[in-house]
Amino acid sequence: EAQVTQNPRYLITVTGKKLTVTCSQNMNHEYMSWYRQDPGLGLRQIYYSMNVEVTDKGDVPEGYKVSRKEKRNFPLILESPSPNQTSLYFCASSLEGFHNEQFFGPGTRLTVL
Amino acid sequence: QQQVKQSPQSLIVQKGGISIINCAYENTAFDYFPWYQQFPGKGPALLIAIRPDVSEKKEGRFTISFNKSAKQFSLHIMDSQPGDSATYFCAVLNRLAFGKGNQVVVIP
Repeated sequence: EAQVTQNPRYLITVTGKKLTVTCSQNMNHEYMSWYRQDPGLGLRQIYYSMNVEVTDKGDVPEGYKVSRKEKRNFPLILESPSPNQTSLYFCASSLEGFHNEQFFGPGTRLTVL
Repeated sequence: QQQVKQSPQSLIVQKGGISIINCAYENTAFDYFPWYQQFPGKGPALLIAIRPDVSEKKEGRFTISFNKSAKQFSLHIMDSQPGDSATYFCAVLNRLAFGKGNQVVVIP
């Protein structure tokens, strides 16, 4: 089944404890991105990647890191999480970029205490 | 900076009625205008999209209309059903910037 998977789906952590949210797609998509969703603010892009080894900042990159060493994986790294990073995170992928249908993962709900 | 503005923020419609939600954008260079639908607890999914060389596109009960001069595109949901209750996001293609979403509630 063609899909985008994220792990973990739910995570409660404490301030300053490094964490990684994994994202993987099995559709051979070139483009991948991360969004956070907060009430009243909609979806805001954190980082995106047009292809392997190519990543760029989105609208809200502060406090996040990403890497794209393989085409299928695009992990989101929070080196020192803070409470303002409590949010619902979505990974998405598409065939070639912005002009194609974005396929979203199921989301990761992160709480930073 | 916000490149798309959605209105109304929320909408309550009677079953069988027409839901209309709007998306206004700023940059005239955009050339792909999608609407995504999100149900509670799920990720967004593409509902319908239009390119500016056409003014309207219909897929079942969903119609997207595009007004280039007004820099606006709209989603019409005909014969709205309770299963259409969701949040709808428009997006424009500068790194794919999403609007804040329109919450549509269809009451029986």
